[in-house]
Amino acid sequence: EPEVTQTPSHQVTQMGQEVILRCVPISNHLYFYWYRQILGQKVEFLVSFYNNEISEKSEIFDDQFSVERPDGSNFTLKIRSTKLEDSAMYFCASSVDRGSRYEQYFGPGTRLTVT
Amino acid sequence: QQPVQSPQAVILREGEDAVINCSSSKALYSVHWYRQKHGEAPVFLMILLKGGEQKGHEKISASFNEKKQQSSLYLTASQLSYSGTYFCGTERKETSGSRLTFGEGTQLTVNP
Repeated sequence: EPEVTQTPSHQVTQMGQEVILRCVPISNHLYFYWYRQILGQKVEFLVSFYNNEISEKSEIFDDQFSVERPDGSNFTLKIRSTKLEDSAMYFCASSVDRGSRYEQYFGPGTRLTVT
Repeated sequence: QQPVQSPQAVILREGEDAVINCSSSKALYSVHWYRQKHGEAPVFLMILLKGGEQKGHEKISASFNEKKQQSSLYLTASQLSYSGTYFCGTERKETSGSRLTFGEGTQLTVNP
């Protein structure tokens, strides 16, 4: 069964450093998302991406964040200058199309630890 | 505005039933239910769309009452594998970035 994959599974970085989290969505999916989950808390929407542009972003997704689809398969989240509060699990998700009737499939996540 | 889930936690014995509720103060277009086990990604269970529909998935089913702006997830004859945190994710607009706003979650523990 096709699945969303993410790398790395765990990233440790120092405050102020740039990190890039990578995702490979399911191959025939057109809509991509990033969510994050601080330990023990709920899942929070960051951004959605469709047709090579951001479709929607949350208040969390400030200028320190960016997303890119550098080729036909990868979808990346970049955090330019990490802060301690960026420590969280970051989930990539994809859906076959946009709209409420399409389920979003989540990847296994990247645990980001900022020290 | 995030949906409110209740209860926050529930403990069951294997074979017992549970109901998890998800309500919103704003009109909803859809409700998505996920289950997350500790340290793992959320796993999709089902979507309910505007229209008062009900869905079933083995012994897990759900309903969506758009007038009351709430959804309920029903787990019958619970199994040990049902343990985890259940999240509802809601969407308010029919066509949008498909942004899901998740509730705080309901932690379900099924004991033998």
